[in-house]
Amino acid sequence: DQQVKQNSPSLSVQEGRISILNCDYTNSMFDYFLWYKKYPAEGPTFLISISSIKDKNEDGRFTVFLNKSAKHLSLHIVPSQPGDSAVYFCAASARTSGTYKYIFGTGTRLKVLA
Amino acid sequence: NAGVTQTPKFRILKIGQSMTLQCTQDMNHNYMYWYRQDPGMGLKLIYYSVGAGITDKGEVPNGYNVSRSTTEDFPLRLELAAPSQTSVYFCASSGRGQGNNEQFFGPGTRLTVL
Repeated sequence: DQQVKQNSPSLSVQEGRISILNCDYTNSMFDYFLWYKKYPAEGPTFLISISSIKDKNEDGRFTVFLNKSAKHLSLHIVPSQPGDSAVYFCAASARTSGTYKYIFGTGTRLKVLA
Repeated sequence: NAGVTQTPKFRILKIGQSMTLQCTQDMNHNYMYWYRQDPGMGLKLIYYSVGAGITDKGEVPNGYNVSRSTTEDFPLRLELAAPSQTSVYFCASSGRGQGNNEQFFGPGTRLTVL
């Protein structure tokens, strides 16, 4: 049972345009949502997070939107740059047994075309 | 600061062999995690630790063991390797146990069991 889903395995966007990466979840108990970026042969690196009580968080070119009623979040990258080409993972956290644990989506491969 | 380091980078094991994946962090983080990533899948939590001497099971612990004798090191032991354990293994650490806390990942160990 996939609690965090990224239904688009890949996305191609022209440089300078907006990239929108989507993520859906099923568990309404998730407290936080996070986005990680992963380059080949490297570990994921943290990008941005949002609390479940917020609907938007912005950090430079990256903005995450949360729609709790739809159990949907999205990551917007504006403007997209070739260096943004990577796999993006959505993750959700919930507190169980006194510790926060994270459920990751399957990732979306973003390719930004120069 | 080296961050999170993992050794080895690659390993091929025969069925039934055992090995230890090493993970070390130099950020004095209390929280450490082991994940595995199968092709086309998200990261799944194997084991985690909230401090030296304290470990607990994650989502997919079967076939693995861990120990945490120091803050810095969190080795993952595979006993009786099976083809189903072919995966990329990531170690991560974080300084706090909050749900929106950034995890720092190592570069991964690619393990093949034949």
